[in-house]
Amino acid sequence: NFMLTQPHSVSESPGKTVTISCTRSSGSIAGNYVQWYQQRPGSSPTTVMYEDNQRFSGVPDRFSGSIDTSSNSASLTISGLKTEDEADYYCQSYDSSNVVFGGGTKLTVL
Amino acid sequence: QVQLVESGGGVVQPGGSLRLSCAASGFTFSTYGMHWVRQAPGKGLEWVAFIRYDGSNKYYADSVKGRFTISRDNSKNTLYLQMNSLRAEDTTIYYCAKVLREYSALRGAFDIWGQGTMVTVSS
Repeated sequence: NFMLTQPHSVSESPGKTVTISCTRSSGSIAGNYVQWYQQRPGSSPTTVMYEDNQRFSGVPDRFSGSIDTSSNSASLTISGLKTEDEADYYCQSYDSSNVVFGGGTKLTVL
Repeated sequence: QVQLVESGGGVVQPGGSLRLSCAASGFTFSTYGMHWVRQAPGKGLEWVAFIRYDGSNKYYADSVKGRFTISRDNSKNTLYLQMNSLRAEDTTIYYCAKVLREYSALRGAFDIWGQGTMVTVSS
């Protein structure tokens, strides 16, 4: 099985831009779509991004997703940060018989 | 309105069994694959199992293979997770989640998640 590695935490000020990375340990990042989920404290996860760069319904265009085959990683970028963006973010992908989540990144907006 | 409501969680002794249910509404349940995902308190998300829309294929995480069984009853719009030989490390919140696209297989994005049900394995 492969792993998805995310930074444990990132922080940035309101109005700024932050990027959360997700690096795949083996297999091509382009071989299977990457999704991103947001989880606020005490709540269930919600879908933010699917199929690498498609925003889920209702997600503002401040959120964008991308992949980089040179670093075998995916990224979630949030621009114009708002305090409501403070949450845990998880990337997720697949191989032939498994679904794998990254360890999660805690985003602090301060 | 698409909704998933989990139930069946509780406290069980090590080695015991529990069956979780996930009641679906607001969409055509029989055309969507479904997942179970779990999360220990304060920890990250861990995928548990997936079942195709028609129940024809099932996949499990290595940590639960041979102990847990995913199933569905499309006539009742309900997903199940039968958990046997429970261990302390199975103590987590269990979420059911719907896949985004109809008729998709394992490689499909999640879109809607339930609110979760807590399972505690303790003597």
